[in-house]
Amino acid sequence: QVQLQESGPGLVKPSQTLSLTCTVSGGSISSGSYYWSWIRQPAGKGLEWIGRIYTSGSTNYNPSLKSRVTISVDTSKNQFSLKLSSVTAADTAVYYCARLLLYYDIWYFDLWGRGTLVTVSS
Amino acid sequence: SYELTQPLSVSVALGQTARITCGGNNIGSKNVHWYQQKPGQAPVLVIYRDSNRPSGIPERFSGSNSGNTATLTISRAQAGDEADYYCQVWDSSTDVVFGGGTKLTVL
Repeated sequence: QVQLQESGPGLVKPSQTLSLTCTVSGGSISSGSYYWSWIRQPAGKGLEWIGRIYTSGSTNYNPSLKSRVTISVDTSKNQFSLKLSSVTAADTAVYYCARLLLYYDIWYFDLWGRGTLVTVSS
Repeated sequence: SYELTQPLSVSVALGQTARITCGGNNIGSKNVHWYQQKPGQAPVLVIYRDSNRPSGIPERFSGSNSGNTATLTISRAQAGDEADYYCQVWDSSTDVVFGGGTKLTVL
């Protein structure tokens, strides 16, 4: 059974770079028609899609965050990662990694990690 | 950019039927997916491609999509169904889009 687990610092200083890693266990990150994605959720608010990556390294980002986001993949470690630069308090949120299924031109998230809270504060 | 509109909250009496809507321009031409999020937990897919249930999701959960409104229907609502529900689509110009979420209260 495939599982996703986020890891990384829970506290980041303003203007610095937020870095998180998602480890995929119970299956290969390279199998199937899956993309790998990051989503965030500020406390008490809704879900915001950050971006996705395929194991080839191809990426797509939310235009509102594109200038600050980098998602990468390490197939040898069965991991993918998120970097968000120049963070402010507005980037404080629970960050989820998720598996994104592509079926023809239909995209949906069929598996989620438990999420990790990242607080931006000095 | 494409936007999805959900009511902030929906209430339903125990054992009755809850309907949560997701509005969008010609959403009936898109595939809509629904997620359930209980407090302190990650979202869980409950309906995909408008009306399909993943394994393990009770038959009480169903979905429909037509015109400018998609609907998640929860029959025989239980206390355990209390959660936030989010709709999601993919749009060619906006990419992945989530609705703002609806808080379901079971009375």
